[in-house]
Amino acid sequence: DTGVSQDPRHKITKRGQNVTFRCDPISEHNRLYWYRQTLGQGPEFLTYFQNEAQLEKSRLLSDRFSAERPKGSFSTLEIQRTEQGDSAMYLCASSRVAGGTDTQYFGPGTRLTVL
Amino acid sequence: AQSVTQLDSQVPVFEEAPVELRCNYSSSVSVYLFWYVQYPNQGLQLLLKYLSGSTLVESINGFEAEFNKSQTSFHLRKPSVHISDTAEYFCAVTDSGAGSYQLTFGKGTKLSVIP
Repeated sequence: DTGVSQDPRHKITKRGQNVTFRCDPISEHNRLYWYRQTLGQGPEFLTYFQNEAQLEKSRLLSDRFSAERPKGSFSTLEIQRTEQGDSAMYLCASSRVAGGTDTQYFGPGTRLTVL
Repeated sequence: AQSVTQLDSQVPVFEEAPVELRCNYSSSVSVYLFWYVQYPNQGLQLLLKYLSGSTLVESINGFEAEFNKSQTSFHLRKPSVHISDTAEYFCAVTDSGAGSYQLTFGKGTKLSVIP
Protein backbone atom coordinates (compact mmCIF):
# COMPACT_ATOMS: atom_id res chain seq x y z
CA ASP A 1 0.00 0.00 0.00
CA THR A 2 1.84 3.07 -1.24
CA GLY A 3 1.32 6.31 0.58
CA VAL A 4 0.22 9.70 -0.64
CA SER A 5 2.62 11.13 -3.21
CA GLN A 6 3.06 14.71 -4.33
CA ASP A 7 4.87 16.21 -7.26
CA PRO A 8 6.99 18.24 -7.45
CA ARG A 9 8.61 18.23 -4.02
CA HIS A 10 10.05 21.69 -4.55
CA LYS A 11 9.06 24.53 -6.86
CA ILE A 12 10.74 27.88 -7.25
CA THR A 13 8.95 30.43 -9.39
CA LYS A 14 8.90 34.11 -10.08
CA ARG A 15 6.09 36.35 -8.92
CA GLY A 16 3.27 36.42 -11.43
CA GLN A 17 3.86 32.96 -12.85
CA ASN A 18 1.36 30.11 -12.65
CA VAL A 19 2.20 26.85 -10.89
CA THR A 20 0.46 23.50 -10.66
CA PHE A 21 0.95 20.77 -8.08
CA ARG A 22 -0.19 17.18 -8.24
CA CYS A 23 -1.31 14.81 -5.51
CA ASP A 24 -1.84 11.08 -5.85
CA PRO A 25 -3.82 9.70 -2.92
CA ILE A 26 -3.74 6.25 -1.41
CA SER A 27 -5.72 3.99 -3.71
CA GLU A 28 -9.39 3.57 -2.79
CA HIS A 29 -9.33 6.65 -0.57
CA ASN A 30 -12.43 8.60 -1.47
CA ARG A 31 -11.47 11.86 0.22
CA LEU A 32 -8.65 14.18 -0.64
CA TYR A 33 -7.65 17.30 1.26
CA TRP A 34 -5.31 20.20 0.55
CA TYR A 35 -3.62 22.15 3.35
CA ARG A 36 -1.08 24.96 3.39
CA GLN A 37 1.66 25.27 5.98
CA THR A 38 3.70 28.42 6.42
CA LEU A 39 6.88 28.70 8.46
CA GLY A 40 6.28 28.30 12.17
CA GLN A 41 2.62 27.44 11.78
CA GLY A 42 0.51 24.34 11.68
CA PRO A 43 -1.18 23.30 8.46
CA GLU A 44 -4.30 25.22 7.47
CA PHE A 45 -7.19 23.68 5.57
CA LEU A 46 -7.71 24.84 1.99
CA THR A 47 -10.22 22.50 0.37
CA TYR A 48 -11.38 18.91 0.13
CA PHE A 49 -12.93 16.50 -2.34
CA GLN A 50 -15.17 13.53 -1.91
CA ASN A 51 -14.54 11.48 -5.02
CA GLU A 52 -14.54 14.07 -7.82
CA ALA A 53 -16.75 16.63 -6.06
CA GLN A 54 -15.16 19.61 -4.37
CA LEU A 55 -17.33 19.97 -1.28
CA GLU A 56 -15.73 22.71 0.77
CA LYS A 57 -13.32 25.59 0.27
CA SER A 58 -11.62 27.71 2.91
CA ARG A 59 -11.58 31.50 2.87
CA LEU A 60 -7.83 31.08 2.38
CA LEU A 61 -8.50 29.78 -1.12
CA SER A 62 -8.59 33.00 -3.12
CA ASP A 63 -9.83 33.11 -6.69
CA ARG A 64 -6.24 32.67 -7.88
CA PHE A 65 -6.34 29.14 -6.53
CA SER A 66 -8.17 26.30 -8.23
CA ALA A 67 -8.25 22.62 -7.42
CA GLU A 68 -9.55 19.69 -9.39
CA ARG A 69 -9.91 15.99 -8.92
CA PRO A 70 -10.98 14.51 -12.23
CA LYS A 71 -12.40 11.01 -12.04
CA GLY A 72 -11.93 11.00 -8.29
CA SER A 73 -8.32 9.89 -8.46
CA PHE A 74 -5.38 12.30 -8.44
CA SER A 75 -5.83 15.99 -7.72
CA THR A 76 -4.18 19.17 -8.96
CA LEU A 77 -3.84 22.50 -7.22
CA GLU A 78 -3.11 25.47 -9.47
CA ILE A 79 -2.06 28.90 -8.32
CA GLN A 80 -2.33 31.67 -10.91
CA ARG A 81 -0.33 34.90 -10.80
CA THR A 82 1.71 33.78 -7.80
CA GLU A 83 2.56 36.25 -5.06
CA GLN A 84 5.35 36.12 -2.50
CA GLY A 85 2.77 35.43 0.17
CA ASP A 86 1.97 32.15 -1.55
CA SER A 87 5.35 30.77 -0.48
CA ALA A 88 4.55 27.81 1.75
CA MET A 89 4.46 24.04 1.98
CA TYR A 90 1.37 22.64 0.26
CA LEU A 91 0.26 19.38 1.80
CA CYS A 92 -2.14 16.82 0.43
CA ALA A 93 -3.90 14.22 2.54
CA SER A 94 -6.26 11.40 1.72
CA SER A 95 -8.69 9.31 3.72
CA ARG A 96 -11.38 6.71 3.41
CA VAL A 97 -14.43 7.63 5.41
CA ALA A 98 -15.80 4.53 7.11
CA GLY A 99 -18.17 4.09 10.00
CA GLY A 100 -18.36 7.81 10.60
CA THR A 101 -14.64 8.21 11.14
CA ASP A 102 -11.93 9.73 9.01
CA THR A 103 -8.17 9.43 9.44
CA GLN A 104 -6.09 11.54 7.08
CA TYR A 105 -2.74 10.40 5.75
CA PHE A 106 -0.43 13.10 4.48
CA GLY A 107 1.96 13.26 1.58
CA PRO A 108 5.48 14.73 1.78
CA GLY A 109 4.32 18.12 0.55
CA THR A 110 5.35 20.53 -2.19
CA ARG A 111 7.45 23.45 -1.02
CA LEU A 112 6.73 26.56 -3.08
CA THR A 113 9.09 29.51 -3.11
CA VAL A 114 7.94 32.62 -4.93
CA LEU A 115 10.75 35.06 -5.72
CA ALA B 1 -15.26 27.21 15.23
CA GLN B 2 -12.56 25.07 16.72
CA SER B 3 -9.09 25.96 17.88
CA VAL B 4 -6.05 24.16 19.23
CA THR B 5 -3.48 25.60 21.58
CA GLN B 6 -0.06 24.08 21.99
CA LEU B 7 1.40 26.14 24.78
CA ASP B 8 5.03 25.16 24.29
CA SER B 9 6.65 26.06 21.00
CA GLN B 10 9.91 24.34 21.93
CA VAL B 11 10.67 21.59 24.43
CA PRO B 12 14.26 20.50 25.05
CA VAL B 13 14.70 17.27 26.99
CA PHE B 14 17.60 14.95 27.75
CA GLU B 15 17.69 11.52 26.23
CA GLU B 16 15.89 8.86 28.30
CA ALA B 17 14.01 11.53 30.27
CA PRO B 18 10.20 11.71 30.23
CA VAL B 19 8.39 14.35 28.19
CA GLU B 20 4.90 15.83 28.01
CA LEU B 21 3.72 17.96 25.10
CA ARG B 22 0.59 19.87 25.98
CA CYS B 23 -2.46 20.33 23.80
CA ASN B 24 -5.71 22.07 24.65
CA TYR B 25 -8.61 22.47 22.28
CA SER B 26 -11.74 24.54 22.07
CA SER B 27 -14.90 23.18 20.52
CA SER B 28 -18.62 23.32 21.13
CA VAL B 29 -19.19 19.86 19.70
CA SER B 30 -17.83 16.35 20.06
CA VAL B 31 -14.39 15.93 18.57
CA TYR B 32 -11.83 13.54 17.25
CA LEU B 33 -8.25 14.29 18.29
CA PHE B 34 -4.94 13.53 16.63
CA TRP B 35 -1.22 13.90 17.12
CA TYR B 36 0.95 14.11 14.03
CA VAL B 37 4.77 14.21 13.88
CA GLN B 38 6.77 16.06 11.24
CA TYR B 39 10.44 15.39 10.61
CA PRO B 40 12.49 18.09 8.84
CA ASN B 41 11.43 18.69 5.24
CA GLN B 42 8.84 15.95 5.38
CA GLY B 43 5.08 15.72 5.53
CA LEU B 44 3.06 14.81 8.59
CA GLN B 45 2.89 11.29 9.94
CA LEU B 46 0.00 10.15 12.11
CA LEU B 47 1.26 9.31 15.58
CA LEU B 48 -1.96 8.45 17.38
CA LYS B 49 -5.64 9.32 17.47
CA TYR B 50 -8.65 9.42 19.73
CA LEU B 51 -11.98 8.67 18.08
CA SER B 52 -14.01 7.06 20.85
CA GLY B 53 -13.77 4.48 23.60
CA SER B 54 -10.79 4.37 25.94
CA THR B 55 -9.50 7.85 26.67
CA LEU B 56 -5.90 6.61 26.75
CA VAL B 57 -4.45 5.90 23.32
CA GLU B 58 -0.99 4.62 22.49
CA SER B 59 1.36 4.63 19.52
CA ILE B 60 3.66 1.85 18.44
CA ASN B 61 6.78 3.79 19.40
CA GLY B 62 5.97 4.39 23.04
CA PHE B 63 3.98 7.64 22.96
CA GLU B 64 0.60 7.90 24.64
CA ALA B 65 -2.05 10.57 24.92
CA GLU B 66 -5.06 10.92 27.17
CA PHE B 67 -8.30 12.59 26.18
CA ASN B 68 -9.65 14.68 29.05
CA LYS B 69 -13.05 16.07 28.12
CA SER B 70 -13.52 18.17 31.25
CA GLN B 71 -10.18 19.90 30.74
CA THR B 72 -10.46 19.86 26.94
CA SER B 73 -6.94 18.48 26.72
CA PHE B 74 -5.09 15.79 24.80
CA HIS B 75 -1.54 15.87 26.14
CA LEU B 76 1.14 13.67 24.58
CA ARG B 77 3.56 11.81 26.82
CA LYS B 78 6.51 9.47 26.56
CA PRO B 79 8.25 8.00 29.61
CA SER B 80 11.71 7.86 28.00
CA VAL B 81 12.64 9.76 24.85
CA HIS B 82 15.18 8.80 22.23
CA ILE B 83 17.29 10.94 19.93
CA SER B 84 15.14 9.83 17.03
CA ASP B 85 12.09 11.47 18.64
CA THR B 86 13.50 14.89 17.74
CA ALA B 87 10.84 16.39 15.49
CA GLU B 88 7.91 18.78 15.47
CA TYR B 89 4.65 17.53 16.91
CA PHE B 90 1.22 18.84 15.92
CA CYS B 91 -2.03 18.37 17.77
CA ALA B 92 -5.18 18.48 15.62
CA VAL B 93 -8.93 18.38 16.17
CA THR B 94 -11.93 17.77 13.97
CA ASP B 95 -15.68 17.84 14.54
CA SER B 96 -16.82 14.25 14.90
CA GLY B 97 -20.30 15.04 13.63
CA ALA B 98 -19.48 17.20 10.62
CA GLY B 99 -19.24 16.04 7.05
CA SER B 100 -15.91 17.51 6.13
CA TYR B 101 -13.62 16.30 8.93
CA GLN B 102 -11.22 19.10 8.09
CA LEU B 103 -8.45 19.22 10.64
CA THR B 104 -7.65 22.27 12.75
CA PHE B 105 -4.03 22.19 13.85
CA GLY B 106 -2.08 23.83 16.63
CA LYS B 107 1.10 25.73 15.86
CA GLY B 108 3.28 22.78 16.78
CA THR B 109 5.84 21.93 19.44
CA LYS B 110 9.45 21.31 18.49
CA LEU B 111 10.87 18.51 20.61
CA SER B 112 14.66 18.50 20.84
CA VAL B 113 16.22 15.48 22.49
CA ILE B 114 19.65 16.24 23.92
CA PRO B 115 22.21 13.41 24.05
